[in-house]
Formats: sequence, C-alpha cells, structure tokens
Amino acid sequence: ETGVTQSPTHLIKTRGQQVTLRCSSQSGHNTVSWYQQALGQGPQFIFQYYREEENGRGNFPPRFSGLQFPNYSSELNVNALELDDSALYLCASSLVGRGGQETQYFGPGTRLLVL
Amino acid sequence: AQSVTQPDIHITVSEGASLELRCNYSYGATPYLFWYVQSPGQGLQLLLKYFSGDTLVQGIKGFEAEFKRSQSSFNLRKPSVHWSDAAEYFCAVGPVGFGNEKLTFGTGTRLTIIP
Repeated sequence: ETGVTQSPTHLIKTRGQQVTLRCSSQSGHNTVSWYQQALGQGPQFIFQYYREEENGRGNFPPRFSGLQFPNYSSELNVNALELDDSALYLCASSLVGRGGQETQYFGPGTRLLVL
Repeated sequence: AQSVTQPDIHITVSEGASLELRCNYSYGATPYLFWYVQSPGQGLQLLLKYFSGDTLVQGIKGFEAEFKRSQSSFNLRKPSVHWSDAAEYFCAVGPVGFGNEKLTFGTGTRLTIIP
C-alpha cells in the first residue's frame, strides 16, 4: 500500500465528453504528478503540481488540465475526449524539498475507455 | 532529452532461476534511477531506487540493481525468481535537484515464470 488512492477505478466515456479523475496523495506530500499509460506502454508524464501550482508539463495538449488542493487531493480533467485518450491514468505523490524530490508513490490508477 | 531503453520486451524464466532485466538510459547527468513493478491491472510499486552512493542497491522482494555510470545502465537482478514475480517491470529516470520532477519510463519488460 502506497497511501495513494484514485477514483474511479474504471470509467467509460464517449468521444467529445469531458472527464474528471481524482487522486488522494499521501499525507504531507506537496507534489502530485499525473501519468498516462497506454496499453503495452510505459507511463508518460502529463504534468506535475507543486504546492497547488503547475510545475512542469509533458507533451500533452491544453485540454488536459489539473488542480491540486490543500487537503492532499488533486484532479485531472480532460476535455473533448478522443479515442486515443483511452488509457490507464496514474497519479503519484512525492515530497519535494530544496534537495529535490524523493520517491514518487503511485496510486492504482483509473482505467478510462473512450468509445 | 532523456530516454530509457529496456531492450527486452518479454522474458521467460523458470521458477528458481536467476533473472537480469536490462535498462539503459540517456541523460545529461547522472539521474535518479528507479525500478517499478506493475501487476496486471494494478498501479506501480517501487522495487528500488538509486540516488547516490553505493552503486549496488537492494530493494524489496529480494531484488537488487547495479548502477554502472560508464555503461549508462541500471540492470535489475534477482538470484532466484518466484512465480509471484510474474509482472511488468519498468525502469525510470528522474532529475536530480529541485525542478521539473517528472519521471521518464522505459517501455517495460514483461516477465513470465514457468514451473
């Protein structure tokens, strides 16, 4: 158990819809990262939030957006869903300080299917 | 740009046999290095990590990995595999120091254990 939880576990949407995925980080962790893992691939970095501000973004379009809240929860929002958005979405929490980051602890993921 | 290569897509070993999974990375400096394991339909569990110091690191479940700077490698080993080790294994690199804390993953190696 990593202490990181995600909801829902599975989700089915249709093309063009919007979706919100939720993550609850380990208590005390100030950073949350989101990754997309397509079938048969390694996770791809979407973006990271540090103290409620975006702190780096991967090669994903603006329709992928996020929020981080003071209570160690966070959201990943995806607008105008496309078929290629079907994937496992993973969040990871970590504690980042002056010396850099410590280990990222991953949640179990949300599997999104876009039809 | 940083990258991680896991040259073996699929490895099959007999229960009780030794295991080595290969990982090579490309990075501007010595990064932080990680091995994660993913069981089917699950999130990522950290096996071990290298930040600095001793280049042979011990992890959970009897795994170890050796960092070789000259070869830009961080291979994962286990002297005797168990059926429960069947899973997908991911090598990842992350930046040292405070900043964009993203992890870059390889494409994974699927491990099958035969009796």
